[in-house]
Amino acid sequence: GDSVTQKQGQVTLSEDDFLFINCTYSTTTYPTLLWYVQYLGQGPQLLLKVTTANNKGISRGFEATYDKGTTSFHLQKASVQESDSAVYFCALDNNNAPRFGAGTKLSVKP
Amino acid sequence: EAGVTQSPRYAVLQEGQAVSFWCDPISGHDTLYWYQQPRDQGPQLLVYFRDEAVIDNSQLPSDRFSAVRPKGTNSTLKIQSAKQGDTATYLCASRAGHFNQDTQYFGPGTRLLVL
Repeated sequence: GDSVTQKQGQVTLSEDDFLFINCTYSTTTYPTLLWYVQYLGQGPQLLLKVTTANNKGISRGFEATYDKGTTSFHLQKASVQESDSAVYFCALDNNNAPRFGAGTKLSVKP
Repeated sequence: EAGVTQSPRYAVLQEGQAVSFWCDPISGHDTLYWYQQPRDQGPQLLVYFRDEAVIDNSQLPSDRFSAVRPKGTNSTLKIQSAKQGDTATYLCASRAGHFNQDTQYFGPGTRLLVL
């Protein structure tokens, strides 16, 4: 079945540092790959989606790219701010129900 | 436009007690999902509906959990006899269609603690 693996459980950065979070996936089809952000006490909200057609998505200063060759996709941001502190999830969507990774907790120090 | 609403926001139970969670999706969204999110983990699908029909409940522990969406709008998830391992946040989500170009919107969740 479809699966997604997100190994970085926690990342601690200082403001203006570069962020990079990676996920790998396994599927037999051509999925849409998603990044969600979850702030404390809230449900996840969609940050970015990447499809096989576009290979890249950009939103709110975050960029997601997708590498079919290595079946991986990652989230990056050139300069993080304290307000970016949250949990980030990658997910795989194959026209049914999105399947989520374990999440990466980002803490940004002022 | 109102988002996905869930109630209650918190629940505390003793083992063996029953509890129900209620979800009101975004108006017009035909697909509704229930996820379980244990502490420090990602959401894990329990069940999802298209209109009133169950599409996938393979991850729902059927001996104690049940979910319904009788009119294709609101939904209820029930735990018949809660266990400590059920401690988690229960998230409801909806989307307009079932294809991956449609965005999935989550409610704030119900945090369940089973003592």
